[in-house]
Amino acid sequence: NAGVTQTPKFQVLKTGQSMTLQCAQDMNHNSMYWYRQDPGMGLRLIYYSASEGTTDKGEVPNGYNVSRLNKREFSLRLESAAPSQTSVYFCASSERAGGPNEQFFGPGTRLTVL
Amino acid sequence: EDQVTQSPEALRLQEGESSSLNCSYTVSGLRGLFWYRQDPGKGPEFLFTLYSAGEEKEKERLKATLTKKESFLHITAPKPEDSATYLCAVTSGGSYIPTFGRGTSLIVHP
Repeated sequence: NAGVTQTPKFQVLKTGQSMTLQCAQDMNHNSMYWYRQDPGMGLRLIYYSASEGTTDKGEVPNGYNVSRLNKREFSLRLESAAPSQTSVYFCASSERAGGPNEQFFGPGTRLTVL
Repeated sequence: EDQVTQSPEALRLQEGESSSLNCSYTVSGLRGLFWYRQDPGKGPEFLFTLYSAGEEKEKERLKATLTKKESFLHITAPKPEDSATYLCAVTSGGSYIPTFGRGTSLIVHP
């Protein structure tokens, strides 16, 4: 099993450009998440999907959109990138929507917006 | 609102020098407390889940404990390969969305 995979690994954008970060998991998990990680700020939740067909905003959703394409895939889109979106983005998945359950993280996408 | 505070922010140890990392939390109805390890340039990797006060879990040189207000990650006789950032997270009430602390950066010198 590959676990959680993310593409691309690195990306440089100019202000105003758009891009989509891709995430896929092969663990048959119901829930998926997008986080950003900035120095001194820890992990902050952008959007999550409790199950296929549902998405909800997290702590910092402004400037982002998501799509839960199917049970395996959850993408994050930046419509008009800004320098404040320079960060490391992690996708994660967990088995079920209810109850405490551990998350499994992808390797991250390092995004720089110039 | 759930709050998670980890201390210290950074910790330097000599190989073999045991120590503990702290995770203090404020939640309404703890559902689970999680410890993760994050190596530089990689995503967090799950270590432990603790559910109730008094619970303990061990894995190699790591032992996690839980009280009603905090959790400790004890590292016994650490090795350089234990160097990483250790993250703590909690879920509470009816939510399965975790709140993460900012982590403790551990460096173990040979």
